[in-house]
Amino acid sequence: GESVGLHLPTLSVQEGDNSIINCAYSNSASDYFIWYKQESGKGPQFIIDIRSNMDKRQGQRVTVLLNKTVKHLSLQIAATQPGDSAVYFCAENIAGSARQLTFGSGTQLTVLP
Amino acid sequence: NAGVTQTPKFRILKIGQSMTLQCTQDMNHNYMYWYRQDPGMGLKLIYYSVGAGITDKGEVPNGYNVSRSTTEDFPLRLELAAPSQTSVYFCASSTGQGWYGYTFGSGTRLTVV
Repeated sequence: GESVGLHLPTLSVQEGDNSIINCAYSNSASDYFIWYKQESGKGPQFIIDIRSNMDKRQGQRVTVLLNKTVKHLSLQIAATQPGDSAVYFCAENIAGSARQLTFGSGTQLTVLP
Repeated sequence: NAGVTQTPKFRILKIGQSMTLQCTQDMNHNYMYWYRQDPGMGLKLIYYSVGAGITDKGEVPNGYNVSRSTTEDFPLRLELAAPSQTSVYFCASSTGQGWYGYTFGSGTRLTVV
């Protein structure tokens, strides 16, 4: 089965609200995590990453939280905008795996006007 | 820089036909990957390469072949196409040093009928 999974397949939020997208992983040897955004008809685009020796990392309007105790990852998007509507994937790298990323099935984020 | 370029963008194949999906990158990345994405699903690794002349199987290699004769190019060959190979195919590359993230191409949408 997949090592990386998502709690919710779809998420709808009002424009201006904050969004939280969750991801569970099962491999304790995962040492690096990435969030990607995929707009319809396009390839995934990098959003933010975090190493396993960190528990929080912030970017522009995005924050990733890592809880290694429960093997949980979340992506927080502040002041969600219509352009944030997309599918969001978390991906993990397992140490020693030749930098192979394992992807979850994705969460469809829809921003409501 | 063009980044990662995939051709063609769309293709319809008949069962039993063969084709090659092209992927080229101009970032001098050592690592290259082929993923497939089925509708509503995450990306699954087909093959990867850590450098010219070196390739290895990923999670779902059956029905595919790859070669890596140069750093820039990583073509994916489908022999005897089957309906189960209907998918969107993404090529990606990575430096192999430092940052673990991938740069993705825009994808090839393949339909086998």
